[in-house]
Amino acid sequence: DTGVSQDPRHKITKRGQNVTFRCDPISEHNRLYWYRQTLGQGPEFLTYFQNEAQLEKSRLLSDRFSAERPKGSFSTLEIQRTEQGDSAMYLCASSLEAGREQFFGPGTRLTVL
Amino acid sequence: AQSVTQLGSHVSVSEGALVLLRCNYSSSVPPYLFWYVQYPNQGLQLLLKYTSAATLVKGINGFEAEFKKSETSFHLTKPSAHMSDAAEYFCAVNSGGYQKVTFGTGTKLQVIP
Repeated sequence: DTGVSQDPRHKITKRGQNVTFRCDPISEHNRLYWYRQTLGQGPEFLTYFQNEAQLEKSRLLSDRFSAERPKGSFSTLEIQRTEQGDSAMYLCASSLEAGREQFFGPGTRLTVL
Repeated sequence: AQSVTQLGSHVSVSEGALVLLRCNYSSSVPPYLFWYVQYPNQGLQLLLKYTSAATLVKGINGFEAEFKKSETSFHLTKPSAHMSDAAEYFCAVNSGGYQKVTFGTGTKLQVIP
């Protein structure tokens, strides 16, 4: 059981740079979710994939954010022209069925200087 | 629409004492409800889930929660706190048909020796 993995675990970048995060879900899970968590808050939904199709995006996901899941397996989340307000923990989760429990990865902590 | 309210951002209990973490939800349809635990710099781990079966749900590490429709509550309890229970706990709701899970703002549990 490999669980959900995320890479990198930590990323420090300068304002204006682009960053990309990767998530590998549990292999048999066809649903994949991205969340953002800031200090003192619960995770906030960003976007959701069923297989390779991106089916829902939060209004939190500005034009600078893009997510892909090209082959229905791993997913990437890219943030362009990072801002200090993007500093947060980015969590990935996967699930087998809609409405069921989601299994979370360890997260990628982004710090924008 | 769906939402979760967790009463008390910080709860302190003595080791061996009862743990009670409160969660109230709002959902226009019968919900699925979850409790997750998060240790520092880690992802979220599922403690237990309610999916319209038994109203008293038992989870891992001795935790349980009771779904009370009349009170729209899903409080988390544990009869006797251990030092290892110190963490942040999140209540979450998924209304039938929605793909995303909405999390509460979390409750940090401190266990005093």
